[in-house]
Amino acid sequence: DAKTTQPTSMDCAEGRAANLPCNHSTISGNEYVYWYRQIHSQGPQYIIHGLKNNETNEMASLIITEDRKSSTLILPHATLRDTAVYYCIVRAAGGSGNTGKLIFGQGTTLQVKP
Amino acid sequence: DTEVTQTPKHLVMGMTNKKSLKCEQHMGHRAMYWYKQKAKKPPELMFVYSYEKLSINESVPSRFSPECPNSSLLNLHLHALQPEDSALYLCASSHQLEDTQYFGPGTRLTVL
Repeated sequence: DAKTTQPTSMDCAEGRAANLPCNHSTISGNEYVYWYRQIHSQGPQYIIHGLKNNETNEMASLIITEDRKSSTLILPHATLRDTAVYYCIVRAAGGSGNTGKLIFGQGTTLQVKP
Repeated sequence: DTEVTQTPKHLVMGMTNKKSLKCEQHMGHRAMYWYKQKAKKPPELMFVYSYEKLSINESVPSRFSPECPNSSLLNLHLHALQPEDSALYLCASSHQLEDTQYFGPGTRLTVL
């Protein structure tokens, strides 16, 4: 699975959009980009994933560049409860020898401030 | 419903004790996982089960013994642990191996 690079930490003002970048320059054509977050001492929470197209759900939007070498997770209106560590993970699609492994990097600590 | 439950929430044990962690899901998922997370570090995969069979053991010491008695239940049996095994133990499940994994809240283990 491809490796990802994320900034160590970011701040965001409450009510503003939080844009969290992720670089995955070695991503393969059959690999998905997944985002999870972990609020202090809780289990990781699935946010969103995508392959090529931009995706949106009730929590966030995922923007993937055309070359797929980077992506951005967007929380449209950040609240204090969005303060967490955000993990960007690349993993193989089904039928591609996907073993089920999720390899977490160090993630980005997002601090939402009042 | 994407709920994975784990019991107990907290566990304190001595190095000579035997204890078990339990994970349960009722989503019909056929893949289940154990992860270990040390303080201020990301989760690390320990074991993967698919259709109740162990498919991955990430070179975990034998003092950790996983068991999948049925498709809804995953146990982690602990014996002769060391203080450095103190960590948050996370369980996850997914429909199949290649699908999105959903995590439980974890068990905070302290080994004295």
